[in-house]
Amino acid sequence: AQSVTQLDSQVPVFEEAPVELRCNYSSSVSVYLFWYVQYPNQGLQLLLKYLSGSTLVKGINGFEAEFNKSQTSFHLRKPSVHISDTAEYFCAVRSFNDYKLSFGAGTTVTVRA
Amino acid sequence: GAGVSQSPSNKVTEKGKDVELRCDPISGHTALYWYRQSLGQGLEFLIYFQGNSAPDKSGLPSDRFSAERTGGSVSTLTIQRTQQEDSAVYLCASSTQGEVLAAFFGQGTRLTVV
Repeated sequence: AQSVTQLDSQVPVFEEAPVELRCNYSSSVSVYLFWYVQYPNQGLQLLLKYLSGSTLVKGINGFEAEFNKSQTSFHLRKPSVHISDTAEYFCAVRSFNDYKLSFGAGTTVTVRA
Repeated sequence: GAGVSQSPSNKVTEKGKDVELRCDPISGHTALYWYRQSLGQGLEFLIYFQGNSAPDKSGLPSDRFSAERTGGSVSTLTIQRTQQEDSAVYLCASSTQGEVLAAFFGQGTRLTVV
């Protein structure tokens, strides 16, 4: 079984400042990793995914995440946020030998002018 | 359609009534998931279907919850004798089998039990 921990439940940030959302996972087997975003009153949308290869993955809207196997982390970053980045962000993990996605509790990002 | 479609988008029901929530996955996607998102909480896995394999029902919270998937496509999540704690957004997602892609989510059904 796998699990995901998102270390920050709320992250307030000023516009044009950088943001990092932390995600740690645990699993007894190799995993695939994902970040999803949920804008207010909308469904979940895939931001980016790590399947294999380069540990730095780039997603939509200027987001990127880095897979660190030794630290079992997959932190999400954006160098300069916009008001429109206000949303809830979910980290998710899926084992190589399974199709079940396990989600973290989510991190609410609030961007202020 | 191009995406995962869920209906209804909103459902208000009286405590004790049964409800059915429908999910139309993306055509060709063999895996289908149901999740529940309660206010202020993350996503809670309920059930998933993969092709013709037996579904993984390990996340269903009680025997009042059941789901089926007909013809490997449309899925229905049924909640019997609804309780107020069942109020949540129920999300459906689908993905492919042959290639590892992330699940694509529908917009969800917001269920309110009064």
